Amino acid sequence: DQQVKQNSPSLSVQEGRISILNCDYTNSMFDYFLWYKKYPAEGPTFLISISSIKDKNEDGRFTVFLNKSAKHLSLHIVPSQPGDSAVYFCAASGGDTGNQFYFGTGTSLTVIP
Amino acid sequence: KAGVTQTPRYLIKTRGQQVTLSCSPISGHRSVSWYQQTPGQGLQFLFEYFSETQRNKGNFPGRFSGRQFSNSRSEMNVSTLELGDSALYLCASSQRTGGGSPLHFGNGTRLTVT
Repeated sequence: DQQVKQNSPSLSVQEGRISILNCDYTNSMFDYFLWYKKYPAEGPTFLISISSIKDKNEDGRFTVFLNKSAKHLSLHIVPSQPGDSAVYFCAASGGDTGNQFYFGTGTSLTVIP
Repeated sequence: KAGVTQTPRYLIKTRGQQVTLSCSPISGHRSVSWYQQTPGQGLQFLFEYFSETQRNKGNFPGRFSGRQFSNSRSEMNVSTLELGDSALYLCASSQRTGGGSPLHFGNGTRLTVT
């Protein structure tokens, strides 16, 4: 049972425009969410997090939005750069499960120069 | 600060053999988690260790085991390897357990079972 879903396998965006990556979850116990970027042959790199007490968190060009009622979060990248081309994963955890995170299957972002 | 280090980077084993993977966390991080990444299943949680104790275990058979040492370094062992165990095994460390602290991943060990 996939508790975290990224329904768009791929996304293409022009350089300088906004990239919006989406993630949906089903478990209402999830209260901490992470976004990762992954290049081929490397491990995932942590980008930004958000806890359920917030609905927005910003870090430079990256902003994560959380809509708890819809069980939906999104990552906005503004402006998009060619170096942002990678696979992006969202992950969620919650309850008494320690650091057990559930990951989406990823969205491959291509930023076109 | 050095990142998470995993060794070896690549391994080729035969069905029925066993394998041990190693992970050195970021200095000061006491939580170490292991994940399996396959093309069909994405990243799946294997287990987490915190202060040398297994904190949580994912839905994997008992052939998958691990341990953590007093210096927080961790090892993962897979016995009686099967073809389906071919995957990228990722180790991640975190300052604390129980959420609220992001996972920092190593570059993984690519295991191929023939």
